[in-house]
Amino acid sequence: DTAVSQTPKYLVTQMGNDKSIKCEQNLGHDTMYWYKQDSKKFLKIMFSYNNKELIINETVPNRFSPKSPDKAHLNLHINSLELGDSAVYFCASSRETLPGNEQFFGPGTRLTVL
Amino acid sequence: GENVEQHPSTLSVQEGDSAVIKCTYSDSASNYFPWYKQELGKGPQLIIDIRSNVGEKKDQRIAVTLNKTAKHFSLHITETQPEDSAVYFCAASKRTGGFKTIFGAGTRLFVKA
Repeated sequence: DTAVSQTPKYLVTQMGNDKSIKCEQNLGHDTMYWYKQDSKKFLKIMFSYNNKELIINETVPNRFSPKSPDKAHLNLHINSLELGDSAVYFCASSRETLPGNEQFFGPGTRLTVL
Repeated sequence: GENVEQHPSTLSVQEGDSAVIKCTYSDSASNYFPWYKQELGKGPQLIIDIRSNVGEKKDQRIAVTLNKTAKHFSLHITETQPEDSAVYFCAASKRTGGFKTIFGAGTRLFVKA
């Protein structure tokens, strides 16, 4: 019954490693997002995909590469992890890309880089 | 650039009192203003929203007001309950290719029983 799911929930890794976070939504939505929430709870959009196509790419280091194999999935791969990447990453989805569409958030993935 | 400012960062009220959280936005093209509640260990969840052609909206104990001229919008929670304790985020959205949502920094609300 989970609408937006993410795996893993927790991820602890060493600096320099490469890791992936997976996201799936079963709501039939066309649009998916990745957000980063830092230790001060500040929530910032990173990427947005609509029907597998990238439509928003904020100023994010190219070590971060989203991939959308189909419109129900949006995965986030991070290369050469740095200490500053430690945060909670939220996946979200919405029915379409127009304002006024509620975004449904996943439970988050807490990434800790040591 | 686009910015949403939110105040206060922390708010503590007694159960039964009202709580008000205020936000201002910078981009006059913003036309949709959602409010999200984030409980501990969970993702944000939409609690109420308002569009730019509406000045006020109410849903039970929660109301939101919007002043487009001043670029201000506020969340009002009446008869607060301990389960209202959470972090609340305001946000402003506009159409830009896709639609982009800028979130405020969040307000941590404590409701004391």
